[in-house]
Amino acid sequence: DAEITQSPRHKITETGRQVTLACHQTWNHNNMFWYRQDLGHGLRLIHYSYGVQDTNKGEVSDGYSVSRSNTEDLPLTLESAASSQTSVYFCASSESGASGAETQYFGPGTRLLVL
Amino acid sequence: AQSVAQPEDQVNVAEGNPLTVKCTYSVSGNPYLFWYVQYPNRGLQFLLKYITGDNLVKGSYGFEAEFNKSQTSFHLKKPSALVSDSALYFCAVRVKAAGNKLTFGGGTRVLVKP
Repeated sequence: DAEITQSPRHKITETGRQVTLACHQTWNHNNMFWYRQDLGHGLRLIHYSYGVQDTNKGEVSDGYSVSRSNTEDLPLTLESAASSQTSVYFCASSESGASGAETQYFGPGTRLLVL
Repeated sequence: AQSVAQPEDQVNVAEGNPLTVKCTYSVSGNPYLFWYVQYPNRGLQFLLKYITGDNLVKGSYGFEAEFNKSQTSFHLKKPSALVSDSALYFCAVRVKAAGNKLTFGGGTRVLVKP
């Protein structure tokens, strides 16, 4: 069955370190998204991609970067981890289409603690 | 800009009673509306969505939602709640002109007591 996976599921790091969170989907979806989930804020969009070599900033992109070299993967990099980036990170993917009503499917999440 | 409000942080309901989780939205244009559920330590699972047509949308696990354009609401309902429905529920909205970006509400925790 097609799925979307994230690794690692839990990560502890120190401030200032570079961290990369992996996201891999086998749906063959063109669209991929990264969100962070924090108490009181719901999910907020960090970066998104509509296809290979395409990346775009979301509402909370400062301190994060992504790259899309193939359809299946969208790794999220924290350039220099900060305590404010302690959060749960979710990756999602969806088909591309003209209707705009495509459903996003979510991975299991990565819990990141920055000390 | 599009926004979603879930006015209740938590909803408590007895098992077997009706469950309603409220959602209101603000958009320019016609909205696409979604409900997701999150169980502890899990990702979000899609429940249902409204695109167009019938205002009552039926989804997974016996859930349904009613789109009300005049009240800009999309409340999630279940006629008879189960203890296993205890989870965190998110409403989300997208407008076609905004691409594929979803805007989420803050979430509502549902606690179903036996």
